[in-house]
Amino acid sequence: DAGVTQSPTHLIKTRGQHVTLRCSPISGHKSVSWYQQVLGQGPQFIFQYYEKEERGRGNFPDRFSARQFPNYSSELNVNALLLGDSALYLCASSLDKGQPQHFGDGTRLSIL
Amino acid sequence: EDQVTQSPEALRLQEGESSSLNCSYTVSGLRGLFWYRQDPGKGPEFLFTLYSAGEEKEKERLKATLTKKESFLHITAPKPEDSATYLCALLGGSGNTGKLIFGQGTTLQVKP
Repeated sequence: DAGVTQSPTHLIKTRGQHVTLRCSPISGHKSVSWYQQVLGQGPQFIFQYYEKEERGRGNFPDRFSARQFPNYSSELNVNALLLGDSALYLCASSLDKGQPQHFGDGTRLSIL
Repeated sequence: EDQVTQSPEALRLQEGESSSLNCSYTVSGLRGLFWYRQDPGKGPEFLFTLYSAGEEKEKERLKATLTKKESFLHITAPKPEDSATYLCALLGGSGNTGKLIFGQGTTLQVKP
């Protein structure tokens, strides 16, 4: 079975631009979560969606938004990019909101 | 506030030299503690879930244990392929969310 897939794998943007990252969960998983991982640190929670509804939001500015589609795939949008947004963005899926989360290999976002 | 602290930050072992990684946590109500392995350039790979003090889980050379304040990941007779960053995470937030709160990780290097 396919694991969590994320696209693109790498992305280079400049300050002020916006970006859309995509995630396809494991088949049958209804919950998708997004995390930001800066080099040398553990992932930080951004959003969780379950059955297309937002179920949790981390301490990130309103420039960050997300949504989940009827097929349970998800998008993370970031507007007005800052240098500090450079990071690995990870998507994780789970059967339910409290079950083990399985991660994709992430999108490496670099802001110039 | 829910919090996770991992120690040591880095650990170097000789092949066959057993050791333990520590994960200390504070949480208002434990809903789950997760261990992940992360290889460079990859997303975290799920290893174990522990739900209550006294619980133990094993997988090959790895054994995870849980007390009311700490979790340990014991590595018995490690091999070079066990080299990776090991992440501990709490299931935080309310019962309606699946927010994972990660520690900063322990980077393990096993030399042949």
